[in-house]
Amino acid sequence: ETGVTQTPRHLVMGMTNKKSLKCEQHLGHNAMYWYKQSAKKPLELMFVYSLEERVENNSVPSRFSPECPNSSHLFLHLHTLQPEDSALYLCASSQALYVVDYGYTFGSGTRLTVV
Amino acid sequence: TQLLEQSPQFLSIQEGENLTVYCNSSSVFSSLQWYRQEPGEGPVLLVTVVTGGEVKKLKRLTFQFGDARKDSSLHITAAQPGDTGLYLCAGGPLRNAGNMLTFGGGTRLMVKP
Repeated sequence: ETGVTQTPRHLVMGMTNKKSLKCEQHLGHNAMYWYKQSAKKPLELMFVYSLEERVENNSVPSRFSPECPNSSHLFLHLHTLQPEDSALYLCASSQALYVVDYGYTFGSGTRLTVV
Repeated sequence: TQLLEQSPQFLSIQEGENLTVYCNSSSVFSSLQWYRQEPGEGPVLLVTVVTGGEVKKLKRLTFQFGDARKDSSLHITAAQPGDTGLYLCAGGPLRNAGNMLTFGGGTRLMVKP
């Protein structure tokens, strides 16, 4: 039990589908993050939320739309994706946005395949 | 832009061997973290080092932060198959500028029985 739960673990979707990834943390953390992990590439930061406010959008295409309804939940809404969007999508949380020394707690990820 | 270079990118060794992986940057970091990611899972924090020259030990793993806080190393003694995974280093920015962790590209370790 990592404290950060992601669902679904695996997702296969067509390029015209709409789906959502869910992340939930029970650690009382105030900051949450979406990362994309592709083969042979470093972790790519996508979005950052602090106290439910988006504080960073790292030049991510509009076909990815985040939502943070409260400090415990984070969603990533997907629509009209491309095959190159296939990757492991990781959610992470931290105590607070400006406190990095305690590290991030990651979920197990959603393995997304776009066909 | 702060960049972290990890080396080697891939490492395959036999059980019982020792190994060292490196994390280097031209930038100074306020702290340096090491994570291990097993197949099908997210990264898990192993250690955080915050002081230049600091050495921390976690069982068979020894972590060192460079004196200038620009680099770090991870040494594993008598590696075991359970050590297999992707090892990621991550740097915390100096004076919290930008406030995000910067991740390296990772070292993929395979320990064969």
